[in-house]
Amino acid sequence: GENVEQHPSTLSVQEGDSAVIKCTYSDSASNYFPWYKQELGKGPQLIIDIRSNVGEKKDQRIAVTLNKTAKHFSLHITETQPEDSAVYFCAATIQGTGTASKLTFGTGTRLQVTL
Amino acid sequence: NAGVTQTPKFRILKIGQSMTLQCAQDMNHNYMYWYRQDPGMGLKLIYYSVGAGITDKGEVPNGYNVSRSTTEDFPLRLELAAPSQTSVYFCASSSRSGLAGVKTQYFGPGTRLLVL
Repeated sequence: GENVEQHPSTLSVQEGDSAVIKCTYSDSASNYFPWYKQELGKGPQLIIDIRSNVGEKKDQRIAVTLNKTAKHFSLHITETQPEDSAVYFCAATIQGTGTASKLTFGTGTRLQVTL
Repeated sequence: NAGVTQTPKFRILKIGQSMTLQCAQDMNHNYMYWYRQDPGMGLKLIYYSVGAGITDKGEVPNGYNVSRSTTEDFPLRLELAAPSQTSVYFCASSSRSGLAGVKTQYFGPGTRLLVL
C-alpha cells in the first residue's frame, strides 16, 4: 500500500518568513495530493491540492509543487502570519472514476509562526 | 449547510463498554469515511462507504463496525472498547465526482475518545 513520509515534524519561523514542508510517497500510481491544515481541537481543512498532471499550483500565499519522478511534493507558505500556526498534513491517494479516495496521510508538521 | 457533523465531542469509556460515534453530512455526498488520529500521527482510515448499504474496510478496521443505511449517516460502532482505541475519530465525506474530477474530502470536528 501507499506510504507517505513528511518532514519536518516541527517548524518554527518568524512572521514574514517562508515555510516549506516536504512529503514523499511510495506508490507511483497515486495521482492526487491534498494538503490539510488542522487547528487545535478542529478537524483537518483542505488548503490546497494538486493532481499528478500538474507540476505546481498556487493560491495566494500558498503553493504546492510536485515531482512525479522523485515521488515527492512540497507545501510552500510565503509571508507567514501568526494565523498560519497549525499542524499541516500531506496526503496521497489514487483518484479514479467511481471509486472512493482512500487518503494516506503523512505524520504532520507543527508550524509555529513567531512574532 | 452544516457540512459534516459528529457527536459526541468527547467521551470516556470503560474497558469492555460499547458505544456508537455518530456522523452525518448534509452535502448529499455518496462517499463517507472514518479515520482515527493518534497523538503525533497522521490519520489512518478505519472504514469507508461508497453509498447506502455499501461499506468496506480501511487500513485499521479491527475492533470497529460500521453501517450505512442512508446517504446522510455513517455511524461507527465500538463493541468492546480497549485502551488501544483511545484516539480522536474523524468522519469525512466527498462527492462521487467533484469539480474537475477531484473528490475533495470534508472533515467533521472529531470525537475525542478515552478508554480507561
